[in-house]
Amino acid sequence: AQKVTQAQTEISVVEKEDVTLDCVYETRDTTYYLFWYKQPPSGELVFLIRRNSFDEQNEISGRYSWNFQKSTSSFNFTITASQVVDSAVYFCALSEAKAAGNKLTFGGGTRVLVKP
Amino acid sequence: KAGVTQTPRYLIKTRGQQVTLSCSPISGHRSVSWYQQTPGQGLQFLFEYFSETQRNKGNFPGRFSGRQFSNSRSEMNVSTLELGDSALYLCASMGAGPPYEQYFGPGTRLTVT
Repeated sequence: AQKVTQAQTEISVVEKEDVTLDCVYETRDTTYYLFWYKQPPSGELVFLIRRNSFDEQNEISGRYSWNFQKSTSSFNFTITASQVVDSAVYFCALSEAKAAGNKLTFGGGTRVLVKP
Repeated sequence: KAGVTQTPRYLIKTRGQQVTLSCSPISGHRSVSWYQQTPGQGLQFLFEYFSETQRNKGNFPGRFSGRQFSNSRSEMNVSTLELGDSALYLCASMGAGPPYEQYFGPGTRLTVT
């Protein structure tokens, strides 16, 4: 069975500080996809980034970057130079790459509060 | 492209009643998934429909059901509502094949009294 754990329930930072969100996952599949979603107060889940299990290259996209380490089953996410608009709940999610059916398994979420 | 739309946005029902929620996916997307979000259980997968067929199901009682129409629009039904069904119900649509990114709608906030 799949499982995603986000140990940090809430993080509070001052604007312009960097924020790193931790995510640890469990899966028996060798091919899978990892995601980060953002949920602002409006409630809608917004897709941020995706990583395939067979590509461990870490990347930077604007102020977002991620560190995927298969050896430790971790997929951490960093917001550089945080802004007040980054305040939201962030979810890490896992999807197994099955031909028949797809579902996301979410972590419990980390609430990020960016203070001005 | 227009995003995923869900109606209604807010709903108040009484225990024992039934409710139907609607979801219109992104144009061209044939997969629609439903998720329930509660403070206690977090985000949980309900079911997924693809080409009018349910192809994946979560661990929810039979009171939760769904269907998908030929235009890919989907409905979710909950019968005999319980207080614990109060939640944000999110619908997500996905295009064919990898990378399996799901795009979510704004959700329907259901309150059961």
